[in-house]
Amino acid sequence: EPEVTQTPSHQVTQMGQEVILRCVPISNHLYFYWYRQILGQKVEFLVSFYNNEISEKSEIFDDQFSVERPDGSNFTLKIRSTKLEDSAMYFCASSTDRGETQYFGPGTRLLVL
Amino acid sequence: DQQVKQNSPSLSVQEGRISILNCDYTNSMFDYFLWYKKYPAEGPTFLISISSIKDKNEDGRFTVFLNKSAKHLSLHIVPSQPGDSAVYFCAASRNTGNQFYFGTGTSLTVIP
Repeated sequence: EPEVTQTPSHQVTQMGQEVILRCVPISNHLYFYWYRQILGQKVEFLVSFYNNEISEKSEIFDDQFSVERPDGSNFTLKIRSTKLEDSAMYFCASSTDRGETQYFGPGTRLLVL
Repeated sequence: DQQVKQNSPSLSVQEGRISILNCDYTNSMFDYFLWYKKYPAEGPTFLISISSIKDKNEDGRFTVFLNKSAKHLSLHIVPSQPGDSAVYFCAASRNTGNQFYFGTGTSLTVIP
């Protein structure tokens, strides 16, 4: 069964550094998403991406964040100048269409020290 | 702004009995609802969905009920099995948007 994959599974970085989280969505899906879950809190939407551009983003997704689909399979989240409060699980998801069921990857646990 | 709420952080049920997980929402524009199951250190796994044109959707042991007037949905698992022990999230979306709004989750423990 096709699934969303994410790398790395864990990432530890120093405050102020840049990180890139990678995702491979399900191959026939057209919409891609990033969510995050800070420990003990709810899953929060960050951004959705369609047709090589951002289609929706939350207040969390400020200039510190960017997304890219550098090739036909990868979908990346870049976090510039990481802060302690960026420590969270980051989940990538994909769907066939807007409003359809989103299928999640296993997540990347980011720890900013 | 908590648009989707799961007021019970945890629930314990005996194996074989029914588990009922509840979810309330505030945004009347939501028209598509899902339940996800999550094990520790894994991503949310899609379980079952319901659109606002229905009030019930069933898939094996899992049934989701939607009460639009009360802005309430529930997930019934019957019979509950120890492997059902996980955190369950409800999520909702509007057809004009892409994002799903998640509740805070209910941790279900099924006792053998």
